[in-house]
Amino acid sequence: AQKVTQAQTEISVVEKEDVTLDCVYETRDTTYYLFWYKQPPSGELVFLIRRNSFDEQNEISGRYSWNFQKSTSSFNFTITASQVVDSAVYFCALSEALRSNYQLIWGAGTKLIIKP
Amino acid sequence: NAGVTQTPKFQVLKTGQSMTLQCAQDMNHEYMSWYRQDPGMGLRLIHYSVGAGITDQGEVPNGYNVSRSTTEDFPLRLLSAAPSQTSVYFCASSYGGSLTDTQYFGPGTRLTVL
Repeated sequence: AQKVTQAQTEISVVEKEDVTLDCVYETRDTTYYLFWYKQPPSGELVFLIRRNSFDEQNEISGRYSWNFQKSTSSFNFTITASQVVDSAVYFCALSEALRSNYQLIWGAGTKLIIKP
Repeated sequence: NAGVTQTPKFQVLKTGQSMTLQCAQDMNHEYMSWYRQDPGMGLRLIHYSVGAGITDQGEVPNGYNVSRSTTEDFPLRLLSAAPSQTSVYFCASSYGGSLTDTQYFGPGTRLTVL
């Protein structure tokens, strides 16, 4: 069963539009962490945010914001006033306490295209 | 501070050949891991290490070997390459292997097996 689901395979918006990337996760752990990573066209993986399961406060960092809702098992990512440089594949990932190696479980990614 | 480095960036192999993908980090991280990235599947863990001399299997270990003789280096060996191993390989490291530690990734190695 898919533990991290990013239902949006690809999203295309025009520059300056707001865009939300969805992430739904599944876990039986009460202690876990959620992550977002960005993979630009150059291919590297860039860490964006880490959120633990006990902290449901929304996070804002510049134009980026994250909405964590345990009630719906979602950890959505919003980019406000998108820019062409935001074009990338974005991955949501889960780390569960019960896993002995704390491996990251990855979603399939959402490709975000920002058109000028 | 170079972070996590990987070599080579690109590699083409013929079926049956062997090779080693190199990974090194200069952050004195204890935890290192190897992932493969395939289209539409996210990343999957191949092998990981919680410290020098200690390695373990991840989700998709078959066809790969690892060793960890030093804290800095964590090479991944393909014993007999197969077309199914065509993928992008990422090495990652973190300070420890705990739930709270963020993993930092190398730039990746794009491998094609013909």
